[in-house]
Amino acid sequence: NAGVTQTPKFRILKIGQSMTLQCTQDMNHNYMYWYRQDPGMGLKLIYYSVGAGITDKGEVPNGYNVSRSTTEDFPLRLELAAPSQTSVYFCASSYSPGRMNTEAFFGQGTRLTVV
Amino acid sequence: RKEVEQDPGPFNVPEGATVAFNCTYSNSASQSFFWYRQDCRKEPKLLMSVYSSGNEDGRFTAQLNRASQYISLLIRDSKLSDSATYLCVVPPRGYNQGGKLIFGQGTELSVKP
Repeated sequence: NAGVTQTPKFRILKIGQSMTLQCTQDMNHNYMYWYRQDPGMGLKLIYYSVGAGITDKGEVPNGYNVSRSTTEDFPLRLELAAPSQTSVYFCASSYSPGRMNTEAFFGQGTRLTVV
Repeated sequence: RKEVEQDPGPFNVPEGATVAFNCTYSNSASQSFFWYRQDCRKEPKLLMSVYSSGNEDGRFTAQLNRASQYISLLIRDSKLSDSATYLCVVPPRGYNQGGKLIFGQGTELSVKP
């Protein structure tokens, strides 16, 4: 079982470059999330999606964009990368989080450095 | 008040000790609660779920206090392998609440020999 797959695992970007972090899940989860985690800090929600075609901002959306054209895929786009975006990015998916027996499954993370 | 707030830590305890962390939440309508474990900035993984007053799994006990809006995680007989960051998650209740799955900032535990 693949679960949640993120690519790439590591990336170094120059200031001003753009890139897309890929995330795909094979569990037919309707909810998907993008988080960033800075050193020594907790997870901050960037964007989330409650289903194909529906996305919404989380706690720290500035500098990022997302799309959800299919249930499986939830790419995160960085435009004009800045050093402040150096972080570890996690994608996750779940069934509706307000329901019981809901667990969020995470990808292995993308370690991004902007220099 | 933050949606989810945890004891700041770090907690440094000797092997065999009992340690407890707290997590407070602001949404009184929340019905489900989770503790995740994260090792060395790897991906978080589910440790325990709490739906009623509490849940116990071996050395781990999670308790819920709805009146004071907090959940706690108790670890008995700490092992070196328990060293990790423990994350609290309190999802909003119901589809209309949206999908803002917010994590607490995490509590770091270090178990020493």
